[in-house]
Amino acid sequence: KQEVTQIPAALSVPEGENLVLNCSFTDSAIYNLQWFRQDPGKGLTSLLLIQSSQREQTSGRLNASLDKSSGRSTLYIAASQPGDSATYLCAAPAHGGADGLTFGKGTHLIIQP
Amino acid sequence: DVKVTQSSRYLVKRTGEKVFLECVQDMDHENMFWYRQDPGLGLRLIYFSYDVKMKEKGDIPEGYSVSREKKERFSLILESASTNQTSMYLCASSSNLSNQPQHFGDGTRLSIL
Repeated sequence: KQEVTQIPAALSVPEGENLVLNCSFTDSAIYNLQWFRQDPGKGLTSLLLIQSSQREQTSGRLNASLDKSSGRSTLYIAASQPGDSATYLCAAPAHGGADGLTFGKGTHLIIQP
Repeated sequence: DVKVTQSSRYLVKRTGEKVFLECVQDMDHENMFWYRQDPGLGLRLIYFSYDVKMKEKGDIPEGYSVSREKKERFSLILESASTNQTSMYLCASSSNLSNQPQHFGDGTRLSIL
């Protein structure tokens, strides 16, 4: 059974800093890995998806990497802004394929102005 | 733009009632999912569906059932609501392509009194 762990659970940094959020998963036979953002009381917004054949994906100030062999992914946020404050969730397919996701418990990020 | 619409943002019901949560997607996605989100436990998969009239149990299906009579609509049913089913419920949909993410609705916050 897939298990996903995210560290740190919470992070507070001043505006402008570059930061890294970590995700680890136990079943490396994954189809893809996804990063989401969740604002308080809202649904999830997809940020990046990395397919199993890829090593990284970039979107604007965000870069996600994937190392299947070690069961790890990182989300790098460059030049953080107060609007980046949210909970960031990492998710991997529960059984490797195109089925439901297993989520980490998230990193609650606060960017101080 | 993908739109996943959940019928209610907030819902209050009484124990023992039969509760229906509705979800509609407008992107002709094959796959649909129901999750619940609880503090300290994160998001957990309840049920998912690959196609019309198909359903698969997720990690916590007990006390729930689902219905998918049309491709765009996926309903979650609480057969006899209990207080431990008070939660945020999130619906998602996705295509069968490995490079496409799951898209989430805004969630239904359900309180069972």
